Amino acid sequence: QKEVEQDPGPLSVPEGAIVSLNCTYSNSAFQYFMWYRQYSRKGPELLMYTYSSGNKEDGRFTAQVDKSSKYISLFIRDSQPSDSATYLCAMKGGNEKLTFGTGTRLTIIP
Amino acid sequence: GAVVSQHPSWVICKSGTSVKIECRSLDFQATTMFWYRQFPKQSLMLMATSNEGSKATYEQGVEKDKFLINHASLTLSTLTVTSAHPEDSSFYICSASGTSGSGVKNIQYFGAGTRLSVL
Repeated sequence: QKEVEQDPGPLSVPEGAIVSLNCTYSNSAFQYFMWYRQYSRKGPELLMYTYSSGNKEDGRFTAQVDKSSKYISLFIRDSQPSDSATYLCAMKGGNEKLTFGTGTRLTIIP
Repeated sequence: GAVVSQHPSWVICKSGTSVKIECRSLDFQATTMFWYRQFPKQSLMLMATSNEGSKATYEQGVEKDKFLINHASLTLSTLTVTSAHPEDSSFYICSASGTSGSGVKNIQYFGAGTRLSVL
């Protein structure tokens, strides 16, 4: 079993829809949770960063962390074609290494 | 936000030559830098972690003598692919995290990546 599980998709939704992306994990030591967006042939771009459980909102993006269920989510409201990318969840505990999900390929259909 | 610059973005080289990739943190001091390799449609694979002024720590299976990493200052790390071969062709990405005072501790900020093609 992988430490972090993420549905690779692909996921296609119409423009304007709410997108829900999820990851589950098994390591209780994870405390820092991140979502990155990666466009083709580019480096990952940090979207959201959350420490421990709770919700965090930034514009159209909301990140949720439920440590009791070992489950994290990223919601994108009013999705735009420019949101089409691969979304990577990442998390870490006390050491510096990030553990990534496999990434979900998202396409927003105009 | 924290900015990491990676150069070059694309390099083509002949088999047997060496290639150097630079990674710079532009607006924060990067105490730790990471180098990743990414194959098409796959997630990032950590190659090594480097702390400023120290030798890099390589992940299992990564050849230290082939992938030379130098982190001589708080803003610059380099990856040199020595005696490159076609199987080294890949997308290489660096990331950096900083000191607690800079507000970027525990977060990795990524460069744009370097596409290496070895002929």
